[in-house]
Parts: sequence; C-alpha cells; structure tokens
Amino acid sequence: EDQVTQSPEALRLQEGESSSLNCSYTVSGLRGLFWYRQDPGKGPEFLFTLYSAGEEKEKERLKATLTKKESFLHITAPKPEDSATYLCAVLIFYGGSQGNLIFGKGTKLSVKP
Amino acid sequence: DSGVTQTPKHLITATGQRVTLRCSPRSGDLSVYWYQQSLDQGLQFLIQYYNGEERAKGNILERFSAQQFPDLHSELNLSSLELGDSALYFCASSVEGTNTEAFFGQGTRLTVV
Repeated sequence: EDQVTQSPEALRLQEGESSSLNCSYTVSGLRGLFWYRQDPGKGPEFLFTLYSAGEEKEKERLKATLTKKESFLHITAPKPEDSATYLCAVLIFYGGSQGNLIFGKGTKLSVKP
Repeated sequence: DSGVTQTPKHLITATGQRVTLRCSPRSGDLSVYWYQQSLDQGLQFLIQYYNGEERAKGNILERFSAQQFPDLHSELNLSSLELGDSALYFCASSVEGTNTEAFFGQGTRLTVV
C-alpha cells in the first residue's frame, strides 16, 4: 500500500534553533515529492518539488533534500513566521498520465520568539 | 493569493441535504483536483478533471460527484450529507494533468449539523 509518513507530528522550536522534518514513503511508481506549507484555515502553499535522489532545493530558511526512501525539510534559524503545518506529498502514477498526490498528515511547527 | 477561487468559504447544512461547491482554477490551468481535509484523515484526494474530462479518482464516495465545465470551472456535489462529511474541501489546479505544482484554493469549510 502506498504510504507517506511524516515525523515528528509536532515540533516546538525556539527562534534561531535549526531542525529537520522527516517524510518517509513507501510507494511504487514515484514521480516526485512535494513539500507544502499550510497555515490554519488556509489552503496548502506550494514550496518545493523534488524528482530524484540526491536533489536539493532551497528557499530562504528552508532546504529540502531527497533520498530513495525519504525526504528532509531542514529549517535554518527559524523565525516565528515559519510556524505552520508542513505537508509532504508524493506523486505516483497508476498508468498513462494518471497521477495522484498522496499526502502525509503533516508536521505542525511552532517557533517561539 | 494562489489564483484559485473557491466559493462559498463556509457552508452549514443539515444531514440529508445536498450542496454544491464551486472552484475557478488559475487562468490557463486545465486540470482541477478536489481534496477533502478532516482533522483525523489529513488531505485526501477525491477526484481530478483535465480539460473537462475525468482523469483520476481517489477516495470519493458514491454520494459525491464532480464535473468540469467548458470554461474550466468545476463543481463538487455532495448529497445525502452525513455528520462525518464535515470537513474542509479544497480545490487545486495545475497547468498539466500530472498534478505537478498544483496550487490550492482557500477551501470551503462544510459543517453538517
């Protein structure tokens, strides 16, 4: 069964305290891995797409990396405005051009000043 | 602002009723996806349309249906509503049909009483 697991479920950091969020997956036919940020009551906001093991992408204080079995979202010197739920999703193909995004349950990040 | 518009933002209705949720995708996007997000289940893919045709189906109940119109807006119809259908319903759109870099709307919060 295709599955995406994120850990930890919740993470509390002090401002400036760097850390990493994990997304592990067991899927067949992986075509890409996505990171989204979601603020309470709002739709997910696209952050990164990673397609192959070894790939890295950065945006401000965030850096996403991908291996064959998992992805990490590294947060360097976080600020309170980075507080949000971070969602990981994997794109799988069932055949032809039919794809589906399978989401993890997210990591709720709180950054205290 | 992602460019994806969903209406209404909030909807309260009684069990057994039928409601219609509407989504206008970003200009130029041909693909529309519908997701359900509840507290315990996370984001669940329901259905995808591409240029007016159904492309992929996820965990969508038989009581639910959707369509995409020639102007590319989409509607999600929920009927015989149950308390457990209370959730956030998100629409997302992307240029292609492969679910890459989908942009989400702000969601419709459905409460069934």
